[in-house]
Amino acid sequence: DGGITQSPKYLFRKEGQNVTLSCEQNLNHDAMYWYRQDPGQGLRLIYYSQIVNDFQKGDIAEGYSVSREKKESFPLTVTSAQKNPTAFYLCASSIQRFETQYFGPGTRLLVL
Amino acid sequence: RKEVEQDPGPFNVPEGATVAFNCTYSNSASQSFFWYRQDCRKEPKLLMSVYSSGNEDGRFTAQLNRASQYISLLIRDSKLSDSATYLCVSISSNTGKLIFGQGTTLQVKP
Repeated sequence: DGGITQSPKYLFRKEGQNVTLSCEQNLNHDAMYWYRQDPGQGLRLIYYSQIVNDFQKGDIAEGYSVSREKKESFPLTVTSAQKNPTAFYLCASSIQRFETQYFGPGTRLLVL
Repeated sequence: RKEVEQDPGPFNVPEGATVAFNCTYSNSASQSFFWYRQDCRKEPKLLMSVYSSGNEDGRFTAQLNRASQYISLLIRDSKLSDSATYLCVSISSNTGKLIFGQGTTLQVKP
């Protein structure tokens, strides 16, 4: 089946720890995105990538890093610099920029 | 002012009712609009795109009014399974980023 997968479903982070969230898609989409959702708020863009080996900061990139070494994969690292990381993280992809985006099932990150 | 604004609700309606949500946007250059549905603790799923001419998909009708810069979603004959949060979304014409409203919560009661 074609789709977007994210893992893990739940992730726990200790103080000062970096953690990496996985996002994989087999839709042959060029563009991929990472969003963060906090309770009662809309989604906010962290990073996006229009093509392999290229990515751009979104609205709230501080404390996060990404890589796009393969078309299918766009992992997000939440670094220790992100002081309020508890949120629901959603990965999305689209055929190209400006096209309809489809979401993965999300990862819930909690701080211990 | 937020770029995309929605009334968060909640809208509590009985089964079979017709309910309408509006959403306003501030960037007149926005070209594309969508309604996504998000169930509790799940990812958003595309419900329908919104076209200037209006479009209908079963019990759902979406309209775009560019002059007044608002988008609407009409749900007829509400079902219990329609209970969810409905997200109004525009695509930034400059960056291709999705701009989300905070969502409108619908609760359909038996």
